[in-house]
Amino acid sequence: NAGVTQTPKFQVLKTGQSMTLQCAQDMNHEYMSWYRQDPGMGLRLIHYSVGAGITDQGEVPNGYNVSRSTTEDFPLRLLSAAPSQTSVYFCASSLIAGSTDTQYFGPGTRLTVL
Amino acid sequence: DAKTTQPNSMESNEEEPVHLPCNHSTISGTDYIHWYRQLPSQGPEYVIHGLTSNVNNRMASLAIAEDRKSSTLILHRATLRDAAVYYCILTALYNFNKFYFGSGTKLNVKP
Repeated sequence: NAGVTQTPKFQVLKTGQSMTLQCAQDMNHEYMSWYRQDPGMGLRLIHYSVGAGITDQGEVPNGYNVSRSTTEDFPLRLLSAAPSQTSVYFCASSLIAGSTDTQYFGPGTRLTVL
Repeated sequence: DAKTTQPNSMESNEEEPVHLPCNHSTISGTDYIHWYRQLPSQGPEYVIHGLTSNVNNRMASLAIAEDRKSSTLILHRATLRDAAVYYCILTALYNFNKFYFGSGTKLNVKP
């Protein structure tokens, strides 16, 4: 049981490039989400999913796309990277999409956009 | 949306108790109080949560004020490994995108 895994750990992009951050969980969790964390700040919710085929926007969705074709995977796509997207990205999952459920976080992807 | 207020930083000595406060004066009746912590260069990890009553688990205790406008996370014996940023978060039942972390309290533990 690996929990929540994220790849890559580090990534450097040039402005305008696109890429996909991968997130997978092996706990059969219904709810998955993506956060970004800027230096010295708390985490901000980008997108979330309450099950396969269902996604919705969080607090800061602009510039990011998501899809959820399987229960296990929830990739985050940057369409055209900008320096403002330099951040650490965390994926999280929880068993059911309810507020009382513990969220399990991945180790993060550190992204730098030049 | 209900938000929380925490001190930016606190300091404790190793093996002493630590009380981390959180104010949430606009909390609604259906908001749960969650605490997560983030160790350096890691993702956040769950600590404890509650609704109205005080809660205990192997990591910590959560004391909730009677009017629910504030709460306190209690680490009974701080260790060096407890040095982290602690986040107090309010979440509403079935409101899936309400999980605001805020900036948290950075706890420094001195040996």
